[in-house]
Amino acid sequence: KAGVTQTPRYLIKTRGQQVTLSCSPISGHRSVSWYQQTPGQGLQFLFEYFSETQRNKGNFPGRFSGRQFSNSRSEMNVSTLELGDSALYLCASSLDYRGTYEKLFFGSGTQLSVL
Amino acid sequence: QQQVKQSPQSLIVQKGGISIINCAYENTAFDYFPWYQQFPGKGPALLIAIRPDVSEKKEGRFTISFNKSAKQFSLHIMDSQPGDSATYFCAASSQGGSEKLVFGKGTKLTVNP
Repeated sequence: KAGVTQTPRYLIKTRGQQVTLSCSPISGHRSVSWYQQTPGQGLQFLFEYFSETQRNKGNFPGRFSGRQFSNSRSEMNVSTLELGDSALYLCASSLDYRGTYEKLFFGSGTQLSVL
Repeated sequence: QQQVKQSPQSLIVQKGGISIINCAYENTAFDYFPWYQQFPGKGPALLIAIRPDVSEKKEGRFTISFNKSAKQFSLHIMDSQPGDSATYFCAASSQGGSEKLVFGKGTKLTVNP
């Protein structure tokens, strides 16, 4: 069974640009969460989607947005990139939202560098 | 406000030794406490988890100890091996794991051969 797939693995952007990251969850998983990982702040929750609806949202500015498609694949978008957005963005999937966070499976992440 | 505080930030242990990582939480609504292990270039992977109805859970060389009154929990790695070298994150969730995970900032463990 394939794991959580995130593309691309690496991205380099400049300030002011926007970026879209993609996540394909494990087959059959319907919940997708996104996390930002930085050396200083660790793992911070961005948002979670279940059945195409945002179920939970973290404390990030509106420049960070996401969506989920009917096949459970998810994308997150960051507009007007800032230097501080440089981070590893992790996607995680779970079978269902009930007890979602009991069995989270993470992808390897997309490393975003903003120059 | 950091809801889960993890220490130490880094830890160096000799092969065969015991590695101990501690976490403290503030939110009494938390009722699910997992530990994640992350190797370089990989995403975190669930290692072991505990609920507050037990004080200890053991899986192989990994043990979680939980102190509800002190709002603390810890990970013990017995007979630490070089292959255990990774970053470890504690986390917490409420409503039986149905609410978003709040992570500690991580502990980088190095096990010397």
